[in-house]
Amino acid sequence: DQQVKQNSPSLSVQEGRISILNCDYTNSMFDYFLWYKKYPAEGPTFLISISSIKDKNEDGRFTVFLNKSAKHLSLHIVPSQPGDSAVYFCAASASKSGNEKLTFGTGTRLTIIP
Amino acid sequence: EAQVTQNPRYLITVTGKKLTVTCSQNMNHEYMSWYRQDPGLGLRQIYYSMNVEVTDKGDVPEGYKVSRKEKRNFPLILESPSPNQTSLYFCASSPLELASSETQYFGPGTRLLVL
Repeated sequence: DQQVKQNSPSLSVQEGRISILNCDYTNSMFDYFLWYKKYPAEGPTFLISISSIKDKNEDGRFTVFLNKSAKHLSLHIVPSQPGDSAVYFCAASASKSGNEKLTFGTGTRLTIIP
Repeated sequence: EAQVTQNPRYLITVTGKKLTVTCSQNMNHEYMSWYRQDPGLGLRQIYYSMNVEVTDKGDVPEGYKVSRKEKRNFPLILESPSPNQTSLYFCASSPLELASSETQYFGPGTRLLVL
């Protein structure tokens, strides 16, 4: 039962263009969403987050959009740079669950083509 | 530097030989957690701890034990490892309540192979 889904295992984007990574969730109790970036041989590192009271959060080249009615969020990276090549995990948590557990998607491998 | 450390980073062992993977954080976080990452499954939570002497099961706790005797340490114990525990393991820590400005910090990972 995958509560957080990333349906694209991989994505290739030309340098300078926009990268859009998508994530869908099924649990309506989720109220906090995060994107993590993971390089090989390293742990996931936090990239950007959004609370369910917002529909957009922007941090430099990274913007996360949340559509609660569709239970969908997306990460936009613009312009894409070679250093953005990594695996991106979408994660969600339910603040009232009593466990700060993050439920992760399966990840999308982003490759930026120079 | 704020960090989560794990040891060892790589481990090859045989079925049934008890092992411990250590995790330590220097951020005075109350919450610590263990995840395993497997192909096609993302990261799944094994156990978590809300504070010293408080631990609970995550989604995939079978075959694992943990302890939280000190705030900074949260070791993962495999009493009798089996090949299906071959995986990449991550320890994470965070303040107790994840708010919009907080996040979980992850260790670098421990790659375990059980023969």
